[in-house]
Parts: sequence; C-alpha cells; structure tokens
Amino acid sequence: NAGVTQTPKFQVLKTGQSMTLQCAQDMNHNSMYWYRQDPGMGLRLIYYSASEGTTDKGEVPNGYNVSRLNKREFSLRLESAAPSQTSVYFCASSQGQRSSYEQYFGPGTRLTVT
Amino acid sequence: DQQVKQNSPSLSVQEGRISILNCDYTNSMFDYFLWYKKYPAEGPTFLISISSIKDKNEDGRFTVFLNKSAKHLSLHIVPSQPGDSAVYFCAASAQTGANNLFFGTGTRLTVIP
Repeated sequence: NAGVTQTPKFQVLKTGQSMTLQCAQDMNHNSMYWYRQDPGMGLRLIYYSASEGTTDKGEVPNGYNVSRLNKREFSLRLESAAPSQTSVYFCASSQGQRSSYEQYFGPGTRLTVT
Repeated sequence: DQQVKQNSPSLSVQEGRISILNCDYTNSMFDYFLWYKKYPAEGPTFLISISSIKDKNEDGRFTVFLNKSAKHLSLHIVPSQPGDSAVYFCAASAQTGANNLFFGTGTRLTVIP
C-alpha cells in the first residue's frame, strides 16, 4: 500500500517549457487535490477533483490545467512554465471532499523554473 | 490575503516540556480546523482536528483548543519529544460550499533533548 505517489520528485524547466506532474493513489479515495507550497505562504490549493470526472479551481489555478484520468490518477499540467511557478507541489487524496475527511499527501515534487 | 495565520515561524522547547503552537484566522465562516505535521522531504500528515461546536479536542499528547470569539486556536503537545520536531501547519475550512482547506504558513518546532 503506497498511499499517494508523485512523479517526478525533482524537475528543472526553462521558462516556456511544459510538463505534467503525475499523481496516483491506491486508497480508493474519491477526492484528489493539487497544492503548491511557497516560502512564507503555506500550502495553497491549485485545483481539486471532488470525484472522478469532475475538476474545480482552487485558490491559485492560473497557469495550470488538471486531468482526473481515472479514480486513481490526477495530473497537473504546466503549459508554459514561468519562474513564478517555482515551488514544491503536493498531491493529496481523501475519501470525500468534506474537510472532516483526512487528506493524505504525497511526498511532493520540487520544481524550479529558470 | 492570508486567511489563516501562524505568526511564529519557529519555536524551541526542551524535551518533556509543553509546546504551544498558535494559529489565528480571519474568516468567520470557518468551522472546521485541523493541524498537520510535516517532516523534511515528506508530505504533511494529519495530526488532530476540531469542529467549531467544540472548544477542545484531545488525542494522547496532543490537544487543540479553539476560541471562536478570538478566532484563535492552539495546539498543545505535552510532553514534547524530540520526534515531534517538525513543521506544524494549521488549516481551516468552511463546511458549507467547497470545503477547501486554507493553510497557515507553518511553525517549525524544535524539541531539544
């Protein structure tokens, strides 16, 4: 039981390049989330998927797209990376969207955009 | 605008003593509060939560206190252990609507053996 896995762990991009961050969970959770963590800002929600087939914007969605590929997988795409997107990205999942359901986090992807 | 604030970036405590981590929030719609713990190179892990219908919730060495009138909550760890050294994030949500979590900026706790 791996929980929430993220790939890659580290990535360096040049401005304007694109990439997709992958996330998978094996807990049969309905809801999945993407957060970014920046120094002095805490974690901020980028996008979430309350259930398979649905996605919604969070607090900071600009510059990102997401795909809920199936119940297990939720990917985050940067179409044209910018230095402001340098951050640590965390994927999380939970049984349901209610905040009383514990969110389980992956180990994170550290992205640097030069 | 930060809706959840942790004004102390760091805290050092001797092993065996009490650690008190504080959190303030501005959104009066928040009615569910959580604490997450994060070790380096790992994702956050859930620690303890409290609903706004309570003013205290206890789980072993960890107790969270909520003061709704002051829009303030605190996490008490007694006794503190070296393994508690981590970054602690406070989070809040409104259970109506999207239920999204809003996180504070974190407090780095160091427990000195």
